[in-house]
Amino acid sequence: AQTVTQSQPEMSVQEAETVTLSCTYDTSESDYYLFWYKQPPSRQMILVIRQEAYKQQNATENRFSVNFQKAAKSFSLKISDSQLGDAAMYFCAFHAYNTDKLIFGTGTRLQVFP
Amino acid sequence: GAVVSQHPSWVICKSGTSVKIECRSLDFQATTMFWYRQFPKQSLMLMATSNEGSKATYEQGVEKDKFLINHASLTLSTLTVTSAHPEDSSFYICSAIDRGRADTQYFGPGTRLTVL
Repeated sequence: AQTVTQSQPEMSVQEAETVTLSCTYDTSESDYYLFWYKQPPSRQMILVIRQEAYKQQNATENRFSVNFQKAAKSFSLKISDSQLGDAAMYFCAFHAYNTDKLIFGTGTRLQVFP
Repeated sequence: GAVVSQHPSWVICKSGTSVKIECRSLDFQATTMFWYRQFPKQSLMLMATSNEGSKATYEQGVEKDKFLINHASLTLSTLTVTSAHPEDSSFYICSAIDRGRADTQYFGPGTRLTVL
């Protein structure tokens, strides 16, 4: 069975600082996708960043980047220059190529302080 | 791009009535859509996978006769909660897969259902 673990229920960061959210996963599949989604208070799930497992280069989207360590099955999200609008619940998610189902972690609530 | 709409955004109904929620992919065709339920401060729980032109696949423990799913076109899936009861009150979220964007799921804004 595939699992996704987010060991940090809550994190906080000062505005303009950098924060890293952790995510580990367990799978026997070799081909898969990994995602980070953000859920602000509006509860709209927003795609933050996507990584394909066959790509060794870490994905980057503006202030958001990942540290993808395939051998360690680790997929952390780094948010640089944190902004108040980054405050949200962040979910790490996985799906193998042979299935469309997303496996979600339990989420990390990020607070951003001015 | 990759916008998914959901309607209504909130609904209040009486116990015993049925409620229909629509999920539309606005700028892409979605052969596969999903329906989730989310309880407060929890992660998303997958209820069913909706495939265009075929029967939905329900997750274990989800009553298919209570949660009717119809995926009649490449841009529309509907979830009907039949004979709703207060315990069905929840936040329901749909998503659609964009095959053109690495099989990424894009989510609707959700529907808050309150059954009185």
